[in-house]
Amino acid sequence: RKEVEQDPGPFNVPEGATVAFNCTYSNSASQSFFWYRQDCRKEPKLLMSVYSSGNEDGRFTAQLNRASQYISLLIRDSKLSDSATYLCVGALYNQGGKLIFGQGTELSVKP
Amino acid sequence: DAGVIQSPRHEVTEMGQEVTLRCKPISGHDYLFWYRQTMMRGLELLIYFNNNVPIDDSGMPEDRFSAKMPNASFSTLKIQPSEPRDSAVYFCASSFLHRETGELFFGEGSRLTVL
Repeated sequence: RKEVEQDPGPFNVPEGATVAFNCTYSNSASQSFFWYRQDCRKEPKLLMSVYSSGNEDGRFTAQLNRASQYISLLIRDSKLSDSATYLCVGALYNQGGKLIFGQGTELSVKP
Repeated sequence: DAGVIQSPRHEVTEMGQEVTLRCKPISGHDYLFWYRQTMMRGLELLIYFNNNVPIDDSGMPEDRFSAKMPNASFSTLKIQPSEPRDSAVYFCASSFLHRETGELFFGEGSRLTVL
C-alpha cells in the first residue's frame, strides 16, 4: 500500500463548481501535510499547508483528520486556471524530513 | 535569485549508455532531493541529502543508480547502464525550512528517454 493515496481523477468540472479532493495516509508517524499543484509539464509547487484546525486561502480550504488519517482540499468557485494536478504530500519527520508525494489528482475546469 | 537549475532539460539516449543529470540547488539551502516522475508511479523520492551528506537512499531503484553531492552547490544523479524503464522526468529540489513550511523548490526537471 502506498504511504499517501489520492483519488485518481481526472475530475472534469464546469467553471464555478466546487470540487473536493481526498487523500489518505498510512503512516501514523506522518506529522505534517501539504498540497502541491503541478501544471502540465511543469514542476510541482507548494499550494498550501494542512492543519488539524483547517486552513483557508481564498477559494481553497484544506483539512486534516488525524483520527481517520485523511486529508482534503476543497476548491470553491473553480476557475479555468485551476486546471492542474493536485498532489497530496506527507512529511515523515521521524525519517529525517522526507516528503512523500501522492500520485496526484488531475483537475480540468471547463468553460 | 535563480531557482534550482537542472541540466540537461531533455536527453534521449540508447539503452546501455551512461546518463548523468546535474543539479544546482538554491544557495543557502541545506537539503537536496532527487525525485523521479512517471505516469504509472507518480513522483518517487530517490535520495536526499542534508548538508551534502546522503540521508536516505532507500528509493534508489538499484545499483545502476548513484547520486553524489560533492559540495553545497552541485549534485549529480548517474544511471549506468541506462534501460528503457528508466525513462521519466527527474526532478531535483532543494529546501531550507521544509520541516516547518513543507516547501521544496523544484527545478524544471530533466526529461530522460532511453530507447
